[in-house]
Amino acid sequence: DAGVTQSPTHLIKTRGQHVTLRCSPISGHKSVSWYQQVLGQGPQFIFQYYEKEERGRGNFPDRFSARQFPNYSSELNVNALLLGDSALYLCASSSLLTGLDSYEQYFGPGTRLTVT
Amino acid sequence: QKEVEQDPGPLSVPEGAIVSLNCTYSNSAFQYFMWYRQYSRKGPELLMYTYSSGNKEDGRFTAQVDKSSKYISLFIRDSQPSDSATYLCAFAGGTSYGKLTFGQGTILTVHP
Repeated sequence: DAGVTQSPTHLIKTRGQHVTLRCSPISGHKSVSWYQQVLGQGPQFIFQYYEKEERGRGNFPDRFSARQFPNYSSELNVNALLLGDSALYLCASSSLLTGLDSYEQYFGPGTRLTVT
Repeated sequence: QKEVEQDPGPLSVPEGAIVSLNCTYSNSAFQYFMWYRQYSRKGPELLMYTYSSGNKEDGRFTAQVDKSSKYISLFIRDSQPSDSATYLCAFAGGTSYGKLTFGQGTILTVHP
């Protein structure tokens, strides 16, 4: 089975632009979470979606939004890009919303976003 | 006070050494404890997770949790050059559903 896939792999944008990142979870997983990882730091939680509904949001500005589709794939959108948004954006999937299995998350390779 | 503290290292050891990686946490709601390994320019890979105090062993890896001290450790026995990576501790619990809170990561290099 394929793992979590993300596209694109790399992206270069200029300040003020908008970006859309995509994620496909492991087959059978209904939960998708997004994380931002700045160089030299651990991942920071942005959103969790389960069954197309937002179930959790981290401490990120409203410029960040996401959605989940009926096939459980997900998009992360970032508007009005800032230099500080340069990071590795990670998508993780899990099978459940709650309980121990919800914390067993499997990460994709990430999308490396550079804002110039 | 940060919710999670992890020594960023870097840590350099010879092949075959025993490696000890540690994290402390302050959030009493954390009930689940995980260790991830991240190779350069890759996504984190789940190594081990547990939800109880004590030790959990998997091959050369042992995860140790001390809830009373809010302290977790990962031990790697007979370390190999292929173990060279960044190791991230992660925590979850309470009503935060699938949210994981990560440490900063410790960079480990095992040299032949």
